Amino acid sequence: AQSVAQPEDQVNVAEGNPLTVKCTYSVSGNPYLFWYVQYPNRGLQFLLKYITGDNLVKGSYGFEAEFNKSQTSFHLKKPSALVSDSALYFCAVRDFGAGSYQLTFGKGTKLSVIP
Amino acid sequence: SAVISQKPSRDICQRGTSLTIQCQVDSQVTMMFWYRQQPGQSLTLIATANQGSEATYESGFVIDKFPISRPNLTFSTLTVSNMSPEDSSIYLCSVRGEGTIYEQFFGPGTRLTVL
Repeated sequence: AQSVAQPEDQVNVAEGNPLTVKCTYSVSGNPYLFWYVQYPNRGLQFLLKYITGDNLVKGSYGFEAEFNKSQTSFHLKKPSALVSDSALYFCAVRDFGAGSYQLTFGKGTKLSVIP
Repeated sequence: SAVISQKPSRDICQRGTSLTIQCQVDSQVTMMFWYRQQPGQSLTLIATANQGSEATYESGFVIDKFPISRPNLTFSTLTVSNMSPEDSSIYLCSVRGEGTIYEQFFGPGTRLTVL
């Protein structure tokens, strides 16, 4: 079975500082990994994905994420946080080896960027 | 990417009644998904709906409670039947992008409150 853990319920960071939102995963095969963002009263918006290739992937709004196979992690990062980045962030995984299209989501991390 | 709309955006319903949520996509898609996001929780897959076949329900969800229709490649409905306060959630429609096996796109969600 596939699973995702986001160990932090909330992350607070000052505007202009770098931010990291942590994610670890568990799959039996090769992982497809995703980050989504949810703004208040909105649906999920796709940020970025890792399928294969370069371990550092770049996505929307200046976000990037680093895939680390040995640590089974896929942490979301941004060099300089904006107040508008304040939202709920979800990490998700799909197990390529399982032949399933099902996405499994983490419980989400609330990011608050303080002016 | 696919543009997804849902109706209604929100509703307040009485216990014991039913609500049908509509999902419309701006392009033809094979796979559509319905998710539930309970307050403060992550997303849980309810069912996968492919056009021309019966929906496939995840463990803990049954057709009598959450009947789904998928009459064509751009539209689906989810009905929440015989509602109770425990059904108060955000219900999200999602599609797998055609031409890519990797990405899922989400609608804005329907916020349901059951009194």
